Amino acid sequence: DAGVTQSPTHLIKTRGQQVTLRCSPKSGHDTVSWYQQALGQGPQFIFQYYEEEERQRGNFPDRFSGHQFPNYSSELNVNALLLGDSALYLCASSVGLAGGPNEQYFGPGTRLTVT
Amino acid sequence: KQEVTQIPAALSVPEGENLVLNCSFTDSAIYNLQWFRQDPGKGLTSLLLIQSSQREQTSGRLNASLDKSSGRSTLYIAASQPGDSATYLCAVRCLGAGNNRKLIWGLGTSLAVNP
Repeated sequence: DAGVTQSPTHLIKTRGQQVTLRCSPKSGHDTVSWYQQALGQGPQFIFQYYEEEERQRGNFPDRFSGHQFPNYSSELNVNALLLGDSALYLCASSVGLAGGPNEQYFGPGTRLTVT
Repeated sequence: KQEVTQIPAALSVPEGENLVLNCSFTDSAIYNLQWFRQDPGKGLTSLLLIQSSQREQTSGRLNASLDKSSGRSTLYIAASQPGDSATYLCAVRCLGAGNNRKLIWGLGTSLAVNP
């Protein structure tokens, strides 16, 4: 059983560019959440997708957007990249809307460096 | 507003010691609490999930307790090994308005177990 997978593993972009990160949830999971983790910090919640809709959003600007596909996989898009967007981006999957007893399973993350 | 604090921020112990990591949270209206492990530059591995109605969970050498009324959780690691070296993160899933279903994270405890 493949767990949560993310691609790419590492990415280097220039300020002002756009980036798309991808996540495939654990088999049987239908909910995907995205987190940003800066070096030495805990993860910060970006948003959550369920039934192809954004259900919750953290305190991130509109430059951060996402999408969920019918197969439950998800993309995170960041436009007009800033140096401060450099971080580890983590995807987590779970069953149903978060708030239930279900654990979130995390992927290995995508390390984004903005130069 | 829910805040999660982890003490100590860093810990260095000789191999074989039993140790306790602490997590405190300000709002007792939680759904559950999870302990995660994160190796440098890597994603998160869920260690233990404690529902709000539970007092503790055990997995191998790990035992996590939850005292919701006092806003505290501890992660006990028995007979520590060098392979336990990692950052341990505590995350609380909130029930309160504005935080509903979100995971609120501590900054983690960086553990080094020396051979």
